[in-house]
Amino acid sequence: EPEVTQTPSHQVTQMGQEVILRCVPISNHLYFYWYRQILGQKVEFLVSFYNNEISEKSEIFDDQFSVERPDGSNFTLKIRSTKLEDSAMYFCASSRQGSGQPQHFGDGTRLSIL
Amino acid sequence: EDQVTQSPEALRLQEGESSSLNCSYTVSGLRGLFWYRQDPGKGPEFLFTLYSAGEEKEKERLKATLTKKESFLHITAPKPEDSATYLCAVPRSNDYKLSFGAGTTVTVRA
Repeated sequence: EPEVTQTPSHQVTQMGQEVILRCVPISNHLYFYWYRQILGQKVEFLVSFYNNEISEKSEIFDDQFSVERPDGSNFTLKIRSTKLEDSAMYFCASSRQGSGQPQHFGDGTRLSIL
Repeated sequence: EDQVTQSPEALRLQEGESSSLNCSYTVSGLRGLFWYRQDPGKGPEFLFTLYSAGEEKEKERLKATLTKKESFLHITAPKPEDSATYLCAVPRSNDYKLSFGAGTTVTVRA
């Protein structure tokens, strides 16, 4: 069964450094998302991406964050200057359509900021 | 504001002891309610979509039902491998983002 894959599974970075998290969504899906989950808290939405542009972003997704789909298969999340509070699990998800369609998640990247 | 609330927070069951999890939601114009299973250190794994009140979906020992204000996930004769955190999520009323509940952590003892 097709699945969303994310790399790396764990990233350790010094505060202030840039980090790029990578995702390969399911191949025939058109909508892409990033979520994060701080330890012990809810899964929370960061950004959605469709037709090569951001369609929705949360208040968490400030100027330090950016997303890109550099080719037909990869979808990346960049954090320009990491802060301690960026430590979390970051999940990529994709869906075939937007509204009303289930989103399928990868197993996440655990980001640890030192 | 759209909200999703799950109860209980944790559920400890003996193998074979059936139980139910609750997800209540407040969102105008429901466009689907999704149940996911999350194992420790993993991403949410999609289980079911429910679209309208009265709808039911089943998968092995799990059955999800939906009313106008809440959804239930029934676990019948659970096994230890059913131990996980079960999440429900709804799309927000005016866009595609999912709002997740905090989850119910189910532990099934042999």
